[in-house]
Amino acid sequence: DGGITQSPKYLFRKEGQNVTLSCEQNLNHDAMYWYRQDPGQGLRLIYYSQIVNDFQKGDIAEGYSVSREKKESFPLTVTSAQKNPTAFYLCASSIGWRGRRGTGELFFGEGSRLTVL
Amino acid sequence: AQSVTQLGSHVSVSEGALVLLRCNYSSSVPPYLFWYVQYPNQGLQLLLKYTSAATLVKGINGFEAEFKKSETSFHLTKPSAHMSDAAEYFCAVTINNYGQNFVFGPGTRLSVLP
Repeated sequence: DGGITQSPKYLFRKEGQNVTLSCEQNLNHDAMYWYRQDPGQGLRLIYYSQIVNDFQKGDIAEGYSVSREKKESFPLTVTSAQKNPTAFYLCASSIGWRGRRGTGELFFGEGSRLTVL
Repeated sequence: AQSVTQLGSHVSVSEGALVLLRCNYSSSVPPYLFWYVQYPNQGLQLLLKYTSAATLVKGINGFEAEFKKSETSFHLTKPSAHMSDAAEYFCAVTINNYGQNFVFGPGTRLSVLP
C-alpha cells in the first residue's frame, strides 16, 4: 500500500541535542511538508518542498532544518536552537504543481511525538 | 489570503444524535475545501473534499458536507453519531489542486456521550 511513513513514533531528547525525524513516502508525490501540532493550536507549517533539492520556509521555520535529496524522503532536524521543541510533528505530501489530475488534498503520516526532557 | 474558522473548539453529542461541525472560510478565488479527522496520537485522515463539482459531498464513515458559496460555509454533518466518531476534526482550504497553500482551521474536538 502507498503511504507516508514517519519514524520514530515517540522520541525523547535532552536539552541541547539535535534530533532528526524521518519521513518517507511511496506515493510518487512531488511535494512534501512538515507541520507542528500543539494542543489547541491546530497545525502550523514548518517547511515544505515542491521538488527535489528545493525547499521553502513555512510559518515557524526557526530552529528547524530540512533536506530533500530524494523524492521519497524529507527528513526534519529539530536543532538545539528550537526553544520549545516538545510537540507532535506531522509529515504530509501532495501531488505537487506538476500533477495533472490533483484534487488538492494532503496525505499525512502517523506523526512523531517529540518530548524534551 | 485564505482563512478558516471553526465555531466551537469542543462539541458534545449523544450517541445516535445529529453531528454538526461548523466551518466558514474566506477565499478570494474559488476554493478547494476539506475535512480531516484525527484520532489521538495519529495523523490526519481525509474525510471528504469539495473540488467544485457537486456542492453536497459525501465522505467516509457516513459524513457529508455541503458547500454554500453565499454563506462561505462548509459544515460537516452526520445523521447519527457513533462512539467511534469521537475525535478531532479539522476544516481546511486551499486555492489550487496540487496541495499547496493549505490553511487549516483550529479544529473541533467531538465527544460522543453514551
